[in-house]
Amino acid sequence: EVQLVESGGDLVQSGGSLRLSCAVSGFTINTMYMNWVRQAPGKGLEWVSVIYAGGDTFYADSVRGRFIISRDNSKNTLFLQMNSLRAVDTAVYYCASGYPTSMGPFDYWGQGALVTVSS
Amino acid sequence: DIVMTQSPDSLTMSLGERATINCKSSQTVLLNSNNKYYVAWYQQKVGQPPKLLIYWASTREPGVPDRFSGSGSGTYFTLTINSLQAEDVAVYYCQQYYSTPVTFGQGTRLEIK
Repeated sequence: EVQLVESGGDLVQSGGSLRLSCAVSGFTINTMYMNWVRQAPGKGLEWVSVIYAGGDTFYADSVRGRFIISRDNSKNTLFLQMNSLRAVDTAVYYCASGYPTSMGPFDYWGQGALVTVSS
Repeated sequence: DIVMTQSPDSLTMSLGERATINCKSSQTVLLNSNNKYYVAWYQQKVGQPPKLLIYWASTREPGVPDRFSGSGSGTYFTLTINSLQAEDVAVYYCQQYYSTPVTFGQGTRLEIK
């Protein structure tokens, strides 16, 4: 059974940092395109970042230079290091899996981690 | 960036009716080499993560009831829900995964009268 479990969400002050984790079971994350997607309170879905199976990383303009996506293959865990946090970064952050060789649709999602940034 | 525009923003239907949600992409999401449209549809119920319903514009995810169907071509795509059930109350999103950044429509809220 595939499971994605996020952790690390918290209340943080503007300008602070936080690291989210997404522990995955049921498949090996370094064979897949792994994503972070966020949802501000009452708003729609916003893609944040992806790490390709080969290790390339890409970011939304809104977070580039502040967020870093990475993974620990030995722990089968995806991370999102979030620095210089702003009030607009307040959201539920989901990890979601794509396809092995391309972005693909996001077929598995975690339950989400709430990040609240106070101004 | 490819902009995905959904219509309507909200929809109120009766049980058993058919709901139609539209999505327009600002540019092509068709990969000519495999003739596939890189469009997906998701259902998000209150307090839950999104759930994949449809991908490649018209392929139903295993386990999704067959009253959910996707169609479209060019830059226009449609999610159709036949015989609406109470459990279909949710927000529905279209998504393009043709190019980075992946983008979503703004969502369509479906309510039952």
